[in-house]
Order: sequence, then structure tokens, then C-alpha cells
Amino acid sequence: DSGVTQTPKHLITATGQRVTLRCSPRSGDLSVYWYQQSLDQGLQFLIQYYNGEERAKGNILERFSAQQFPDLHSELNLSSLELGDSALYFCASSVVAGDSYEQYFGPGTRLTVT
Amino acid sequence: QKEVEQDPGPLSVPEGAIVSLNCTYSNSAFQYFMWYRQYSRKGPELLMYTYSSGNKEDGRFTAQVDKSSKYISLFIRDSQPSDSATYLCAMSPWGTGGFKTIFGAGTRLFVKA
Repeated sequence: DSGVTQTPKHLITATGQRVTLRCSPRSGDLSVYWYQQSLDQGLQFLIQYYNGEERAKGNILERFSAQQFPDLHSELNLSSLELGDSALYFCASSVVAGDSYEQYFGPGTRLTVT
Repeated sequence: QKEVEQDPGPLSVPEGAIVSLNCTYSNSAFQYFMWYRQYSRKGPELLMYTYSSGNKEDGRFTAQVDKSSKYISLFIRDSQPSDSATYLCAMSPWGTGGFKTIFGAGTRLFVKA
């Protein structure tokens, strides 16, 4: 158990719909990352937040948005869903201490768009 | 051409072998280099993290970065069946205060008992 929790574990929805994925980082970790993993695209970085502020942005579609709340949990919103959005969505949190960098992934949310 | 190239394998080795996993990249701005291990149906786990060039060792694992050749490697000594997993290289520039990570395709490794 990494200490990072994600809900829900599985989500099945229809094209055109909107969903929200939730992530709770490890206690004390200020950074939260979102990733998408699919068979054809592999693992892709979407976005990183640090203490509520966006820090880095990857290949995140305009239909997707995220935020990190004051209690440090984060939500990834996916709208106008397409079949190609079906994937595993991972959240991770990290801590940097001196030269050390530790990152922990959650178990993922499997999204199926039908 | 992809920014990060990684042979997807699969790579099959006998138990006890030394495993060499490699990635090449094209972006000179990459300064942070990572290796992740992912077991089937699980989230990735960060194995090794290196800043800039050089070697880093952690138990049976050694990560090497050669920025002049744009080539990174992960060596696994005395490989065990429990090392069977997909290994993903990843790298990131720095400049935005965050990690805009680019991943390789992942190499599937099988260690036979």
C-alpha cells in the first residue's frame, strides 16, 4: 500500500459524459501528479500540482482539467468523453528531501468509455 | 522520432543473470532521469532517480546516465523471478518548478527460475 488513494477503482460511462476522478496523496506530500496509461499511448504525464498551484503540464487535453484543494487532495475532471479516453488514470504524490526524491503511485482508476 | 526510445522487449533471462535495460533520448534539456517498475495490474513504483550524469546504486540496481550520448541504463544484478515486471524509463527537464516527465514505452522483463 503506497498511501496514495484513488477513487473510484473502476468507472464505466458513455461518450459525451463527464467524470471526476479523486486522489488523496500520502500524508504530508505536497505534490500531486496525474498520469494516463493506455495500450497505444503508454504512460503519459498529464499535470502536476504543488500545494494547490499548477507546476507542470504535459499532454493534457483541453477537455480535461484538474485542481488541488487546500486539504491537498486532487480531482481530475474529464469531459465530453470519447472512446479514446478509455485508460488507466494514475495519481501520484511526492516528497523532496535534500537530494532525495520519492514518488508514490496510487492503484489507479480504470475508465471505460462506451 | 519519439523523445524517448525504449525497446519494449520482451526480455527473458535466467535467474541470477545481469539484466541491462536501456533508453535513448533526443531532448538535451532533460536533467532528471528515472526508472520505474510496474507489475501487472499495479501502479508504477519509482526505483531509481538520478539528476544529471553519473551512476547511482541501490542494492542490486544500478542506474547510469550518459548525457553526452543521450543514453541511460538500468542494471539489475542477480536477477530474481520477482523482478519480472515492466520497466519504464522516464526523464524530465527542469525549469517550471515541476517534473514534465516523458516516459519510454517500457520493457517487459521475464526472469525464469
